[in-house]
Amino acid sequence: GENVEQHPSTLSVQEGDSAVIKCTYSDSASNYFPWYKQELGKGPQLIIDIRSNVGEKKDQRIAVTLNKTAKHFSLHITETQPEDSAVYFCAAKPMEYGNKLVFGAGTILRVKS
Amino acid sequence: NAGVTQTPKFRILKIGQSMTLQCAQDMNHNYMYWYRQDPGMGLKLIYYSVGAGITDKGEVPNGYNVSRSTTEDFPLRLELAAPSQTSVYFCASSYGLAGNEQFFGPGTRLTVL
Repeated sequence: GENVEQHPSTLSVQEGDSAVIKCTYSDSASNYFPWYKQELGKGPQLIIDIRSNVGEKKDQRIAVTLNKTAKHFSLHITETQPEDSAVYFCAAKPMEYGNKLVFGAGTILRVKS
Repeated sequence: NAGVTQTPKFRILKIGQSMTLQCAQDMNHNYMYWYRQDPGMGLKLIYYSVGAGITDKGEVPNGYNVSRSTTEDFPLRLELAAPSQTSVYFCASSYGLAGNEQFFGPGTRLTVL
């Protein structure tokens, strides 16, 4: 089955710097790659997603890139702000029944002001 | 809309006790999911449902049961609680089809002593 690895496990950046989180997946048939942000004490919330027929997607300060050949995708956050501090999860959706997602282990992002 | 709601928020169980974690959604979503979140391990799928009356196992179903009698509700049952079931449990729902956003509830923190 699908396996998703996420790096780094923790990331500290200065306010205003960029942050990059990388994920690799094992199932070449996976076709949907969302990123979720989890704030303390809350459930994860979708921040951006990308489908396998697209190489890059941007939404204001957030972007996601996908390299299908290498089977990896990355989250890029520019001009980081203290409110970006949270746990970020990547996920992949394999071509299986049920719209199931396989999640990475998460990255704790700390933005220092 | 309340979105996805979960009760209780916190619970302490003794080994061998049973309990039901409640989950409800008011978005008329077909698909619902139960995850557990352990530190450094991401989210693991326990059970999922693609509609009323239809449920199936995820990655870590042992020790749990589910039912889906209505579109809105998807309770998770723990029988004979064990310390290994200490975790934070999240319920989620999605409209269905491939690659639709999963909406998460606020979670239930369960401790088994």
